[in-house]
Amino acid sequence: GENVEQHPSTLSVQEGDSAVIKCTYSDSASNYFPWYKQELGKGPQLIIDIRSNVGEKKDQRIAVTLNKTAKHFSLHITETQPEDSAVYFCAASPFSGGYNKLIFGAGTRLAVHP
Amino acid sequence: ETGVTQSPTHLIKTRGQQVTLRCSSQSGHNTVSWYQQALGQGPQFIFQYYREEENGRGNFPPRFSGLQFPNYSSELNVNALELDDSALYLCASSTGANTEAFFGQGTRLTVV
Repeated sequence: GENVEQHPSTLSVQEGDSAVIKCTYSDSASNYFPWYKQELGKGPQLIIDIRSNVGEKKDQRIAVTLNKTAKHFSLHITETQPEDSAVYFCAASPFSGGYNKLIFGAGTRLAVHP
Repeated sequence: ETGVTQSPTHLIKTRGQQVTLRCSSQSGHNTVSWYQQALGQGPQFIFQYYREEENGRGNFPPRFSGLQFPNYSSELNVNALELDDSALYLCASSTGANTEAFFGQGTRLTVV
């Protein structure tokens, strides 16, 4: 079935360190992989995404890598800041007859300590 | 801010009642998806509407239904509420399949 596994479930880092979150998806037909940041009491906010024809994408301190063969994708945050503290979700979009269904991981709670 | 707005923000209902949640999509977006997010979990896909038609559905029973209007705003209706329906309900708008989906702030539904 369609499934996205996300690790770790919690991550604690010191300000300025890097943070890495890893996801694995099951549906090999997935071709779109967004990452969302969710702060307490808010909806998920799209922070970066990658498509299957690209191996890596970077936006300032955030980068995402994709390994289609292994069905792995990862989020890398460098020079972490306290405001990066939130729950991060990875998602995969399996081909489902043309509609935009996202399968989410269970989330990673990131805590950045000053 | 994403431009996707949901109402109400919080709601308390009694088991067996019916509820309607509303979503106004981002300007220029013709596709609306609804998700259910239980506490401590990732969002689960309920269904998607494209140009007023349901074009995809997740593993939710028929008592979860929806509508999309000509201005692309949308409603989620849940009948015969159960305690397990307590969750954050999220609406996301986009311009079609495999495009960026932007979420609203959600409606927190509590069933007692």
